[in-house]
Amino acid sequence: SQQGEEDPQALSIQEGENATMNCSYKTSINNLQWYRQNSGRGLVHLILIRSNEREKHSGRLRVTLDTSKKSSSLLITASRAADTASYFCATDALFAQKLVFGQGTRLTINP
Amino acid sequence: DAGITQSPRHKVTETGTPVTLRCHQTENHRYMYWYRQDPGHGLRLIHYSYGVKDTDKGEVSDGYSVSRSKTEDFLLTLESATSSQTSVYFCAISDRRGGMREETQYFGPGTRLLVL
Repeated sequence: SQQGEEDPQALSIQEGENATMNCSYKTSINNLQWYRQNSGRGLVHLILIRSNEREKHSGRLRVTLDTSKKSSSLLITASRAADTASYFCATDALFAQKLVFGQGTRLTINP
Repeated sequence: DAGITQSPRHKVTETGTPVTLRCHQTENHRYMYWYRQDPGHGLRLIHYSYGVKDTDKGEVSDGYSVSRSKTEDFLLTLESATSSQTSVYFCAISDRRGGMREETQYFGPGTRLLVL
C-alpha cells in the first residue's frame, strides 16, 4: 500500500486564495518531498523537508512536517491559475533506496 | 525534463505481444526508476536500477522485466502485454549516492501505453 496519502483528493479554489493539502504516512522517514504534475507531464520536484525540520519555505510554498503525527502539509499562498496541477507527497523511508508516492491532490485554481 | 527522454511517447499494442519502453538520460545519474501511473493508484514503482546491471523489484513488478546495460539507458519490457498494463509509464532518475540520505528524482515526460 502507499506510504503517503494525500488529503483532500481534489481541491478547487479561487485565484488569490491559499491552498492547503495534507499528507500522512506510516513509517519513519529520512525526508518527505512534494512534487507537482501538470496535466500530461512528468512530476517536478518542489521541496524537500528533512525529518529533523519542522517547517520550510520556498517562494510561495510552505511545508510543515510533524513526525510525531506522521503528517505533512503543503501550503501554496496567493494561488495563481498556473498552480493548477496535481501535487504528490513522497516519503524517503529509513533504510529504503526509493521514494514512495501518495495518490496526489488535484488542485484547480479558478480565475 | 532534466535530460531524460522516453520512447516511444505513445504506443498501442495487442494483448500477448511483447513491448519494450526505453528511458535515456544524459545526466550520468546512478539510479533509474520505472513507475506506472493509474487513476486511483497514484504512482507505483515497477523496477529500479542502482547501477549498470544492478536492478531490483518494486511494488508492482509482476509481468515486467528491466535491463540496464549502460548508465544512460534503462529498458522496461512487458513480456506479454495484458490490458491491465494499460497505463502511463514514467521513468525517473536520481543521483543518490552511498551514504547520501537525500534524493530528488527527476522525471521523464512519460509513455502512454494502450493494450487492446
